[in-house]
Amino acid sequence: DQQVKQNSPSLSVQEGRISILNCDYTNSMFDYFLWYKKYPAEGPTFLISISSIKDKNEDGRFTVFLNKSAKHLSLHIVPSQPGDSAVYFCAASANFSGGGADGLTFGKGTHLIIQP
Amino acid sequence: DADVTQTPRNRITKTGKRIMLECSQTKGHDRMYWYRQDPGLGLRLIYYSFDVKDINKGEISDGYSVSRQAQAKFSLSLESAIPNQTALYFCATSTQGATDGYTFGSGTRLTVV
Repeated sequence: DQQVKQNSPSLSVQEGRISILNCDYTNSMFDYFLWYKKYPAEGPTFLISISSIKDKNEDGRFTVFLNKSAKHLSLHIVPSQPGDSAVYFCAASANFSGGGADGLTFGKGTHLIIQP
Repeated sequence: DADVTQTPRNRITKTGKRIMLECSQTKGHDRMYWYRQDPGLGLRLIYYSFDVKDINKGEISDGYSVSRQAQAKFSLSLESAIPNQTALYFCATSTQGATDGYTFGSGTRLTVV
């Protein structure tokens, strides 16, 4: 059973508009969430994270929102730029404050395509 | 130099052969991981190690083994490669409570023919 779900395999957005990538999770023990960005032929790189004690975290053009009751998080990119075209992975960790012993669980990824 | 280095970057091997993928890091992190990525399946954990004497199976460890030779080195072995082990393999490192999660290597593309 998949504990972290990214239901949109791909998303196409016009340059300058907002990109919204969604992620759902089922494990109520998850207390820390991260987004990674991956370009072809490269490893994933950390983008932004959020603790379960918060509902929003912002870093420049990137904002992550967490809705714990719905077990849902989203990544907003405003404005979208051509360099944002990549695969985005949502990841979650349980007992993060205690060391995150079980590591990160990843979603399947969403391929974001920014159209000029 | 990259913080997490994986070798080789690409490898083609035959069914039944033994192959080792290597990972070394200069981050000074105590935790190391091996993941595989398949199209449409995301990243799945194979093995992880929290220190030199600690090895743990992940979600898909069957057919794989690992060795943590030193804090900075973590290798993944396929004892007898099979075609469905064709995938992109990533090594990652972390330290407890790091808010930026893992640092990944650039990956090894393995093809088993």
